[in-house]
Amino acid sequence: GAVVSQHPSWVICKSGTSVKIECRSLDFQATTMFWYRQFPKQSLMLMATSNEGSKATYEQGVEKDKFLINHASLTLSTLTVTSAHPEDSSFYICSARDPLAGETGELFFGEGSRLTVL
Amino acid sequence: GQNIDQPTEMTATEGAIVQINCTYQTSGFNGLFWYQQHAGEAPTFLSYNVLDGLEEKGRFSSFLSRSKGYSYLLLKELQMKDSASYLCAASDSNYQLIWGAGTKLIIKP
Repeated sequence: GAVVSQHPSWVICKSGTSVKIECRSLDFQATTMFWYRQFPKQSLMLMATSNEGSKATYEQGVEKDKFLINHASLTLSTLTVTSAHPEDSSFYICSARDPLAGETGELFFGEGSRLTVL
Repeated sequence: GQNIDQPTEMTATEGAIVQINCTYQTSGFNGLFWYQQHAGEAPTFLSYNVLDGLEEKGRFSSFLSRSKGYSYLLLKELQMKDSASYLCAASDSNYQLIWGAGTKLIIKP
C-alpha cells in the first residue's frame, strides 16, 4: 500500500515557541492531505484538509492562524503549531488517500507526532 | 447531526471470537471503514464496506446494514497482538470521514 511518513515522531517544546511537523507521501502524489489531532482515549478529530497549491480548509473551531498548514508540493504538507501552549499537547496525525483509489479509498496515515508543550 | 457510536471497551479471551458493533448517523453515506490503532501509533486500515453484507478478510470480517445504520467487525481466533483500539468511520455525502471514539479491545490469555 501507499506510504505516508511523518516527522518528527516526538517533540517537546517550551510554551510560546513554534513547532513544525512534516507529512510526506513517499510513493504517490497527494493533492489532498488531512491533519488530525487525537487526545488520549478520544477519537480522531479532523483539524484541516490540506490542498496542494491552495489554502487549507479548516474545520470549525480550529484556529487557522495558530495551526498553519502549507502544502507546497504534491508530496509534502506541513503543520506549524505557532505560539504553542500546554493545551496544544496532543498526538497529531496526517493522512492521505492514493488518488488512484478515489474518494472511497482507504486513508494512509503517517506515524503520528506526539507534541508535548512544557 | 452526524454521529458514530461504538462501545468504549471490550474484553475477550485469546483464541475466542469477538464482535465490535458500530451504529452511525450521517448526512448521506458513502461507505464505512474499520481501522486498527495500537497505543501510541497511527491507525491502519482493516476494511471498507459500502454494500450490505459480510466482507471476509482472513481472521477479520466486517458486516454492513445500510438500512439499519449498523456495522460490526468480527475478529476470530484472537491473538494477543489484536489488543488495540478499533475505530469505526463513516463516509458522508461529501466523502468526509466521521470517526467513532474507538473501542479498546483487551485480550486476556
